[in-house]
Amino acid sequence: GDSVTQMEGPVTLSEEAFLTINCTYTATGYPSLFWYVQYPGEGLQLLLKATKADDKGSNKGFEATYRKETTSFHLEKGSVQVSDSAVYFCALSDSGGNQFYFGTGTSLTVIP
Amino acid sequence: KAGVTQTPRYLIKTRGQQVTLSCSPISGHRSVSWYQQTPGQGLQFLFEYFSETQRNKGNFPGRFSGRQFSNSRSEMNVSTLELGDSALYLCASSSGPSSYEQYFGPGTRLTVT
Repeated sequence: GDSVTQMEGPVTLSEEAFLTINCTYTATGYPSLFWYVQYPGEGLQLLLKATKADDKGSNKGFEATYRKETTSFHLEKGSVQVSDSAVYFCALSDSGGNQFYFGTGTSLTVIP
Repeated sequence: KAGVTQTPRYLIKTRGQQVTLSCSPISGHRSVSWYQQTPGQGLQFLFEYFSETQRNKGNFPGRFSGRQFSNSRSEMNVSTLELGDSALYLCASSSGPSSYEQYFGPGTRLTVT
């Protein structure tokens, strides 16, 4: 079945450091890929998405490119801020958009 | 536009009891999905409703059930609670099947003692 695997956390970075959170997926067909973010005490918020191969999703300085050849959708940000501290979830929806599959989440802490 | 609302936000129940959680989707959204979030298992899909019909169901026992009303509001029910049911229950709404974007509520934190 479809699944998402993302790097284990927690991740701790200094402010202005470069961030990469790895995400790989297994899916049949042509899934859509997402990154969600969850701030403490809140629900998940959509951060960015890509619906087909080679698409790049971007938002708030975060980027991820849908790589079909490596079945990956790694999240990157060039310079993290303290306010980026949160849990990040990689997710996919099957090609019918019928069901979402989430990774286990990666906790990011950014220290000043 | 108001976001997804979930009530109650916090709940404490005893083993063996049952519980009902409520979710009001974003106005105009007709699809509601439920997830269980625990530290050990992450986010696990429970079920999805669209236009009052259950479209998909995750791998949970029959103690977990749900329904959706004509105004798209949804409830989920857990009967005969177990300690392992302690979790954050998240509801997400979308405009419809294949919409690809889900909007999450803040969740209901259920503690079973």
